[in-house]
Order: sequence, then structure tokens, then C-alpha cells
Amino acid sequence: AQKITQTQPGMFVQEKEAVTLDCTYDTSDPSYGLFWYKQPSSGEMIFLIYQGSYDQQNATEGRYSLNFQKARKSANLVISASQLGDSAMYFCAMSGGDYKLSFGAGTTVTVRA
Amino acid sequence: GAVVSQHPSRVICKSGTSVKIECRSLDFQATTMFWYRQFPKKSLMLMATSNEGSKATYEQGVEKDKFLINHASLTLSTLTVTSAHPEDSSFYICSARTLRGAERSQGYTFGSGTRLTVV
Repeated sequence: AQKITQTQPGMFVQEKEAVTLDCTYDTSDPSYGLFWYKQPSSGEMIFLIYQGSYDQQNATEGRYSLNFQKARKSANLVISASQLGDSAMYFCAMSGGDYKLSFGAGTTVTVRA
Repeated sequence: GAVVSQHPSRVICKSGTSVKIECRSLDFQATTMFWYRQFPKKSLMLMATSNEGSKATYEQGVEKDKFLINHASLTLSTLTVTSAHPEDSSFYICSARTLRGAERSQGYTFGSGTRLTVV
């Protein structure tokens, strides 16, 4: 069974500053994938970044970077230079051998001007 | 990139009626479709997984007779909420997975979601 834990229900960040969203996971699959999605109030799921369990380097996508610490089973998302448009709910998710995505509880990020 | 069109985006129906939600992959063949349910400010909960031409696999606790899933073709999957009740009011979202190529999203594409309100 897979489990994703996001312990931060909500976070405030000042515009132009960086914010780190925590995500820990648990799985018995030897190979797995970790994802981060953004969900604005409209409800759409926007893919941000992906990290494979065998990837040696941390993934980066523009202002998003994933701090992958395999031994600690953590996959934190770092958003640099926050913008007002970054205000949304963020979900950490994991896929395993059956390709189903399991989602964490989510973290609501509010960017202040 | 891959696009999944989900309709309707919003629907209000009377208690006891059925509602059909469609997810259509526009430019690719969806080998697998996942259906999720989401309550406000909560996580996405997987309801069922469907593969084209075969019966859907439902997650534990999901009533298969209430949430009918059909995946008749590689580009269309439908979720029908039968005999809807107010407690079925929720946000439903589909996700298609394709084996096509190597994409940043690893082949997962989400529909835009359907907000169902049962009155």
C-alpha cells in the first residue's frame, strides 16, 4: 500500500520569496514515481514536476524544484520567487507498479503581495 | 500536449435522477482512465480504474452499482452517477494515462473536472 503525507494544511508566503512544501511517502514498491500538482480554485489539476525513484538528480522545472531524499522518503517541493498566481492548493502524489496515483491531503498556499 | 476534455463542467440534478460525466481524450488513446472524487479542500480519492473494453476496477468502499463506469473506446470513458442523492454532491475528475512517448507528466492527463450538485 502507498501512503502520501502532507502535514502542512496551509502556508502563507510573501511575493518573490521561496516556499517549501513538505511531502513524505511510504511504499513497498521498489520502483515508483513522485509528482507534484497545482490545483487552483477552478479545480483543474496542473502538473508541475516529476521525480522517478531511480533518478539520481533532483528534478527541476523552471521555478519548481523537487528536493528528493530517498532514504528519508521525502519529496519536498520548492517554489522559488513566488508569484500571486501561485496561490492554490498543491498536491504531492505517487505512482507505483499499478500506475494508480495516490494523493496527499494537500497544502493551500497563499501568496501575499 | 495531451488533452482530456471533461463534460459537463458543472451540473445540478434532482435527487433520484442519474447524471453522466464524459471524459474524452482528444489527441491520444487513453489506455487507462482513472476516476477521482474530491470534497472541498480535500484530497483526490480514487474511485475506480478502467481499461478500454474491460470492466472497471473499483476501489474499496465505492459502490459499483451507483457509480457506473464505461470505457467503450480508447478515447471515451464515462461515469454515470445513478439515483443521485445530495451526499453524492462532489467534484469528480478523470485522469487518462497513455503509453504514448515520454512526457514530462509521465502520461497522466487530467480532465478539468465536473462539479456535481444534487438537490
